[in-house]
Amino acid sequence: EAGVTQSPTHLIKTRGQQVTLRCSPISGHTSVYWYQQALGLGLQFLLWYDEGEERNRGNFPPRFSGRQFPNYSSELNVNALELEDSALYLCASSIGANQPQHFGDGTRLSIL
Amino acid sequence: QQQVKQSPQSLIVQKGGISIINCAYENTAFDYFPWYQQFPGKGPALLIAIRPDVSEKKEGRFTISFNKSAKQFSLHIMDSQPGDSATYFCAASMARDDKIIFGKGTRLHILP
Repeated sequence: EAGVTQSPTHLIKTRGQQVTLRCSPISGHTSVYWYQQALGLGLQFLLWYDEGEERNRGNFPPRFSGRQFPNYSSELNVNALELEDSALYLCASSIGANQPQHFGDGTRLSIL
Repeated sequence: QQQVKQSPQSLIVQKGGISIINCAYENTAFDYFPWYQQFPGKGPALLIAIRPDVSEKKEGRFTISFNKSAKQFSLHIMDSQPGDSATYFCAASMARDDKIIFGKGTRLHILP
């Protein structure tokens, strides 16, 4: 069974640019979660999507947004990139709310 | 109140020894407590998890001990092996918002 897959694996952007990260959940999983793992800040919850709807949002500005498609894959969009957005962005999926979350290997985003 | 406090920050254990990582929480609404293992360049992998109606859960060499009244839980790794060298995160979540709150992580090094 394939795990959570994320693309791209690495990305380099400059301040002010926009970026889109992609995630494919484990087959059969309907919930997708996004987390940011930044140096010194640990793992922080960003967004939760279930059945195409945004269910919960972490303490991040509105320039972080996303969506979930009918096939349950998801995109995370970050506008007006700032230096502090440099981090590993992790996607997780689960079979539903309050169920174990399984992570992909992330997208490493570097902002120059 | 949303925090999960984890200690120690780093830990060195001899091969064959017991590794112990401790976590504490404040929010009694948390109802799911997973532990994740992360190797460099990889996403966190779910190791073992417990719900508060159980005081202990064992899977192979990994055991979670849970003390609901003290709001503390811990991970014990028996017969620690060099391959266990990784960063371990304790975490907590609640059904109503489904976001995982992670501890800051413990870097475990097992000496061969």
